[in-house]
Amino acid sequence: EAQVTQNPRYLITVTGKKLTVTCSQNMNHEYMSWYRQDPGLGLRQIYYSMNVEVTDKGDVPEGYKVSRKEKRNFPLILESPSPNQTSLYFCASSFMNEQFFGPGTRLTVL
Amino acid sequence: EDKVVQSPLSLVVHEGDTVTLNCSYEVTNFRSLLWYKQEKKAPTFLFMLTSSGIEKKSGRLSSILDKKELFSILNITATQTGDSAVYLCAVSGTYKYIFGTGTRLKVLA
Repeated sequence: EAQVTQNPRYLITVTGKKLTVTCSQNMNHEYMSWYRQDPGLGLRQIYYSMNVEVTDKGDVPEGYKVSRKEKRNFPLILESPSPNQTSLYFCASSFMNEQFFGPGTRLTVL
Repeated sequence: EDKVVQSPLSLVVHEGDTVTLNCSYEVTNFRSLLWYKQEKKAPTFLFMLTSSGIEKKSGRLSSILDKKELFSILNITATQTGDSAVYLCAVSGTYKYIFGTGTRLKVLA
């Protein structure tokens, strides 16, 4: 089954404790992206990757890092999470502009 | 600055009504406009529009794009309670996707 998976689905952590949210797709898509969704602000793009080893900033990259060492995986790294990064995070992969979203990760930073 | 604006922000209708959702945009290097439906989970794809004036249809849903006036509409006819959701409009530019804040639709039985 074609899908995008994310882990963990839910995470509660404390300020400053490094964390990684994994994202994997099995559709061989070159383009992958991370979004955060906040009430009243909609989906905002954090980072995207056009292919292996090629990444670029979206609209809200501050406080986040990404890497794309292989085509199927695109982890999101929060080196020192802060409460303003509490949000719902979606990973997506894309082919011909059509995006397929993962199930989401709800992150709470205390 | 790139932006996508959706209207109305929210809408309450009764089953059987027809609704029109609006999406206007200003995005550099426009490539496509996409509509998604989001219930209490990840957005699910509805339509992708790249050319002006060509209507896309799927059952009771249809959408059209006007690249001259920079907007799109999503129509839902004979609404059902299962259509209750947030409808998102997104525009892809060069490698980036810009989303609107969505229209929350509630369909009453």
